[in-house]
Amino acid sequence: AQSVTQLDSHVSVSEGTPVLLRCNYSSSYSPSLFWYVQHPNKGLQLLLKYTSAATLVKGINGFEAEFKKSETSFHLTKPSAHMSDAAEYFCVVSGTEEYGNKLVFGAGTILRVKS
Amino acid sequence: GAGVSQSPSNKVTEKGKDVELRCDPISGHTALYWYRQSLGQGLEFLIYFQGNSAPDKSGLPSDRFSAERTGGSVSTLTIQRTQQEDSAVYLCASSLGGAFSNQPQHFGDGTRLSIL
Repeated sequence: AQSVTQLDSHVSVSEGTPVLLRCNYSSSYSPSLFWYVQHPNKGLQLLLKYTSAATLVKGINGFEAEFKKSETSFHLTKPSAHMSDAAEYFCVVSGTEEYGNKLVFGAGTILRVKS
Repeated sequence: GAGVSQSPSNKVTEKGKDVELRCDPISGHTALYWYRQSLGQGLEFLIYFQGNSAPDKSGLPSDRFSAERTGGSVSTLTIQRTQQEDSAVYLCASSLGGAFSNQPQHFGDGTRLSIL
C-alpha cells in the first residue's frame, strides 16, 4: 500500500542547532516528493520538491532534502535552526499511478525551536 | 497578491445547515484541488479538477459533499446538511499542470469550518 511515514510527530531543537525531520515513503515507482511547511492558521507553503533530477534538493529558508531510493527516504535538514522555523512540516508524495490525482500527506512533524 | 484565495476564512454554522466555501486559484493554473485538514485525520484529498476533464471525486466522504468549478477558474465546495464531524479546515490548492506534471501545488490559507 502506498504511504508516507514521518517518523517523529514532534521534534525539539535549540536555536542554532541542526534540524532533521525524517520521512519514508512506499512506492513501486519513483514518485515526486515534496516538503511543505504550515505555520499556525496558515495554508501550506512549499519548501522544496524532488522530481527525479538531482537527489539533493535545496529549498527555501536554508532547508534541503536528500532522496535515497535504496532507503526510500526523503529526510529534511537544515544546518542551523531559527525561531521562525517553528511550525508543522509535512512530507508529501504524488505523481505516480499509485497515488492518482492527489498529494498523499504524512501525518506531520511539529518542530519546536527553543531559544 | 497572486496566491490562492479562499473565503470565508472562518465559518460557524449550525448542524443541518448548508455551507459554501469558495476558492480562487492562481490565474492560469489549470488544476485545482480541495483538501480537508482535521485533528486525528490529518490532510485528506477531497476532489481534483483539471481543465475540462471530469473531476476526480474519489476523496469526497459522502454525497453531502459536492464541488464545482465554473469557467475553469473559481471553485465552490458545498456541504449539505452539515454534521459536527464536518468541522475542519478546508484547504484549496492549484497548480500549473495536472497531477502527473510534477508541478507543485500552491495552497490557500483555508476556511476553518465549525459546526455547532
